[in-house]
Amino acid sequence: AQKITQTQPGMFVQEKEAVTLDCTYDTSDQSYGLFWYKQPSSGEMIFLIYQGSYDEQNATEGRYSLNFQKARKSANLVISASQLGDSAMYFCAMREGLASGNTPLVFGKGTRLSVIA
Amino acid sequence: DVKVTQSSRYLVKRTGEKVFLECVQDMDHENMFWYRQDPGLGLRLIYFSYDVKMKEKGDIPEGYSVSREKKERFSLILESTSTNQTSMYLCASSLFLRVQETQYFGPGTRLLVL
Repeated sequence: AQKITQTQPGMFVQEKEAVTLDCTYDTSDQSYGLFWYKQPSSGEMIFLIYQGSYDEQNATEGRYSLNFQKARKSANLVISASQLGDSAMYFCAMREGLASGNTPLVFGKGTRLSVIA
Repeated sequence: DVKVTQSSRYLVKRTGEKVFLECVQDMDHENMFWYRQDPGLGLRLIYFSYDVKMKEKGDIPEGYSVSREKKERFSLILESTSTNQTSMYLCASSLFLRVQETQYFGPGTRLLVL
């Protein structure tokens, strides 16, 4: 079974609008971490934001915030005030915790975001 | 800043050739990883290493091998390339395998096998 599911292969958003990229995950561990990465057309993977399973508040980093709903096992990325430079692939990833002996990141299939002027 | 470098950005090889992809990190990280990225499939883990001379298979190790003789260097070896190995290869490193540890990525190598 997929551990990370990103159901939106592609999305469009108007410049200056907010956009939500969906991510659901599957784990039986109590301790885990959720990550979002951005991949521009140049190919490098840029770390955006992290949410721990025990964190009580949603993570925020500048224009990025993570809408963490633990009961629903979702970790959606919200980008506020979209800019043309936000056009990229976005990947959700998870690392499971102690019960699995700590593991490398597992990635979803990604969402391609296009920001329209 | 953490820097992860990969030996080539683009490679073109013929079927059956041997390919070495090298990855070097400059932050004394314990862990290094090789992923391949294909459209619609995301990133899939090929191998990772948590120490010098140690390696663990990922989700898709078939057709690949790795070498980690020095802490800073992790090589991916394709012994006899096939067209289905045409892909983007991404190397990453991290200090620990703690839950909150970020993985830092290199710029990627786009391999085309003809």
